[in-house]
Amino acid sequence: AQSVTQLDSHVSVSEGTPVLLRCNYSSSYSPSLFWYVQHPNKGLQLLLKYTSAATLVKGINGFEAEFKKSETSFHLTKPSAHMSDAAEYFCVVTKGGGNKLTFGTGTQLKVEL
Amino acid sequence: GAVVSQHPSRVICKSGTSVKIECRSLDFQATTMFWYRQFPKQSLMLMATSNEGSKATYEQGVEKDKFLINHASLTLSTLTVTSAHPEDSSFYICSAISFSGLALADTQYFGPGTRLTVL
Repeated sequence: AQSVTQLDSHVSVSEGTPVLLRCNYSSSYSPSLFWYVQHPNKGLQLLLKYTSAATLVKGINGFEAEFKKSETSFHLTKPSAHMSDAAEYFCVVTKGGGNKLTFGTGTQLKVEL
Repeated sequence: GAVVSQHPSRVICKSGTSVKIECRSLDFQATTMFWYRQFPKQSLMLMATSNEGSKATYEQGVEKDKFLINHASLTLSTLTVTSAHPEDSSFYICSAISFSGLALADTQYFGPGTRLTVL
């Protein structure tokens, strides 16, 4: 079985400050982990993925995430938030092989001026 | 690359009617497609998995006679909500996965979703 916990349902940051969205996972297998972003009334867009290669994964739009097996974490970070980053972010885990995804409950990121 | 489209983006129908939603992979062949349902301010719930040319696999609690899925080709899957009722109103999202072509292996690409409102 696998699960993912997003520790914060809402995160608010000021523009230009760092972003940290937390995610912890549980998996009986070597997991693949993803972060997706969903803008209002839009489909989910893949930000980045981890599949047992480098533990520090760089994604689009300046986001990155670090896989830490000892902490079972896959937190998403960005050095400097932009207004356009305001959206819902989902941490997702799957058994290696990319089939059935298990979604976290999402973190709503708000970026203020 | 790796674009998935859905049609329609929004649909409003009367209770008791059936609604068909299409999901297409535009620049890759989707060996497997998935259908999700998302309630307001909630996460995505997997409804079913469909493989081209075979019957869909439904998640526990999803009525297969209510939500008919057809994956007739490697680029098209359809979800038909039969005899729709107001409680079926939701945001339906499809995704597609491929192990070759423009799509990254082991990665699901999502469509933009279809907002269904049943009156």
